[in-house]
Amino acid sequence: DIQMTQSPSSLSASIGDRVTITCQASQDISNCLNWYQQKPGKAPNLLIYDASNLETGVPSRFSGSGSGTDFTFTISSLQPEDIATYYCQQYDNLELTFGGGTKVQIK
Amino acid sequence: QVQLVESGGGVVQPGGSLRLSCEASRFTFSSYGMHWVRQAPGQGLEWVAFIHYGGNNKYYAASVKGRFTISRDNSKNTLFLQMNSLRAEDTAVYYCAKDFGDTRLPGIFDSWGQGTLVTVSS
Repeated sequence: DIQMTQSPSSLSASIGDRVTITCQASQDISNCLNWYQQKPGKAPNLLIYDASNLETGVPSRFSGSGSGTDFTFTISSLQPEDIATYYCQQYDNLELTFGGGTKVQIK
Repeated sequence: QVQLVESGGGVVQPGGSLRLSCEASRFTFSSYGMHWVRQAPGQGLEWVAFIHYGGNNKYYAASVKGRFTISRDNSKNTLFLQMNSLRAEDTAVYYCAKDFGDTRLPGIFDSWGQGTLVTVSS
């Protein structure tokens, strides 16, 4: 299995702050990397696919970058509605795996 | 937009069986691969299984291989997960998810259901 190491596991930031989450794959996965947002009690929601493509309807303050083994997810200006847990996920092969998640809270 | 509605969850004893369903609407179900993803209480996400749009190719996580079977009925726009030999560690909310499709490798979950809770306990 490809292991996905996501950090930090949690963070606190102020409204308007820039927030960055990293995800490292245990082997080269090219750009086969997605990011999801999950609010409490809700299903996850796709934000970014293929490492850097913004899903339709997702606000432009969300972005992703990276390739190979190292990836970054950024919220350019944190909003109250962004309080959630964020997950990276690889699809380089059909043993699909997720990172452990990053819980984002307001300071 | 895409609608996915899971059903069939409940409480089952260890070693028991359960069949989950996911009814799809507002998209051409027969044209897309479909997944099951689960989430144990308070834990992260775990992919469970995938089935190609035609139903011929199926893939499973190692943790469920040989115990779970994914299937679909394209005439009824419905996805299934047959779960046998259930264990306590299978306790989770089970989500069905639509694959992004097109020419990419399978594995982008672009729409999700609301989930159904499966509890394995004596």
